[in-house]
Amino acid sequence: AQKVTQAQTEISVVEKEDVTLDCVYETRDTTYYLFWYKQPPSGELVFLIRRNSFDEQNEISGRYSWNFQKSTSSFNFTITASQVVDSAVYFCALSVLGGGADGLTFGKGTHLIIQP
Amino acid sequence: DAGVIQSPRHEVTEMGQEVTLRCKPISGHDYLFWYRQTMMRGLELLIYFNNNVPIDDSGMPEDRFSAKMPNASFSTLKIQPSEPRDSAVYFCASSLSRGGREGSYNEQFFGPGTRLTVL
Repeated sequence: AQKVTQAQTEISVVEKEDVTLDCVYETRDTTYYLFWYKQPPSGELVFLIRRNSFDEQNEISGRYSWNFQKSTSSFNFTITASQVVDSAVYFCALSVLGGGADGLTFGKGTHLIIQP
Repeated sequence: DAGVIQSPRHEVTEMGQEVTLRCKPISGHDYLFWYRQTMMRGLELLIYFNNNVPIDDSGMPEDRFSAKMPNASFSTLKIQPSEPRDSAVYFCASSLSRGGREGSYNEQFFGPGTRLTVL
């Protein structure tokens, strides 16, 4: 069975600070996929990134970056120069078949509060 | 293009009543998923379909819950009878799988959710 742990329930920072959201996963499968979703106050779930277990390259997209380390089973998410609009709940998720053909196992989420 | 459509967006009902939640997936997608989100349990998978066939319903909490997908463009999640502990946000998601373990690499697109309150 898969498990995703987001130990940080809530993080509050002041705008323009950098912030890292932690994600630790457990799976016995050698092939798996990791995801991050954002849930703003409006409630929808917005896809941010997908990473497969074969690709440990870090990824950067604007102010967002992701650090995948198989050795520690972690897939952390960093927001650089945070903005108020980044305030949301962020979910890390895991699937074995890529998310297209099986359900996602979600962490409990981290509520990120960016104060002006 | 229209995304995943769910109706109703909000539902308030009384304990014991039947509740039906509806979902229209993105056209052409072959997988459909139902999730439930509560404060206590977070986001959990209830059931998912491939080409209208239920694949895994192990997440359905009990017999009061049932889901159907009569065609590729419509699915329902029914709760009968409803109980206060069923109060949650129910999300529907769809995806297009390219098939094969390596090729199944597509994200799930989520609908806006249905907020269910059972009094």
